[in-house]
Amino acid sequence: GAGVSQSPSNKVTEKGKDVELRCDPISGHTALYWYRQSLGQGLEFLIYFQGNSAPDKSGLPSDRFSAERTGGSVSTLTIQRTQQEDSAVYLCASSPHTPTGRTYEQYFGPGTRLTVT
Amino acid sequence: AQSVTQLGSHVSVSEGALVLLRCNYSSSVPPYLFWYVQYPNQGLQLLLKYTSAATLVKGINGFEAEFKKSETSFHLTKPSAHMSDAAEYFCAVINTGGFKTIFGAGTRLFVKA
Repeated sequence: GAGVSQSPSNKVTEKGKDVELRCDPISGHTALYWYRQSLGQGLEFLIYFQGNSAPDKSGLPSDRFSAERTGGSVSTLTIQRTQQEDSAVYLCASSPHTPTGRTYEQYFGPGTRLTVT
Repeated sequence: AQSVTQLGSHVSVSEGALVLLRCNYSSSVPPYLFWYVQYPNQGLQLLLKYTSAATLVKGINGFEAEFKKSETSFHLTKPSAHMSDAAEYFCAVINTGGFKTIFGAGTRLFVKA
């Protein structure tokens, strides 16, 4: 079946502009995560959505970052007034629930490479 | 706070040699542990996971990892490296009942012919 998809795959923007990054999770997956991966770094947790619950935004680095998840499916990560330090690969992942509870493993999209000039 | 340490940002092995990638975690209770692999320009792919069942976990592509509570370790091994194993490997931990996954900084594996 279809995996997690992200668009665009690459985005180059000028400092100060706003950008929107999109994530389409695997159908039926109730949990969705956003991460940031800077060059040579591990993954930095940004935000987590689970079903209709309020998202956990504790990883968002500043109030310039926000995310939405519409209808429990597609998610959009918005970065306002982009800065050069926002340049990174933004990864989205989704995770299913099983009848016995969460399975915990995450399925990742290919990422969006953001370059702020 | 929960943390994951991967010893060695780069590991180089010869084709056919043993692969050993080290991961240590800090947790007051045994967490769930994962190894993910990332090939160039791709997202992460789950290799294997430990979720409190058998301590020796087998994954895809011939990899396995052993959970050792006394050492708070979850090292990844493969008996014989293949050129296609060259990638970046991430160890990750999540507390049972939680959701926030903490990733290590990653270890890039190089395989020499």
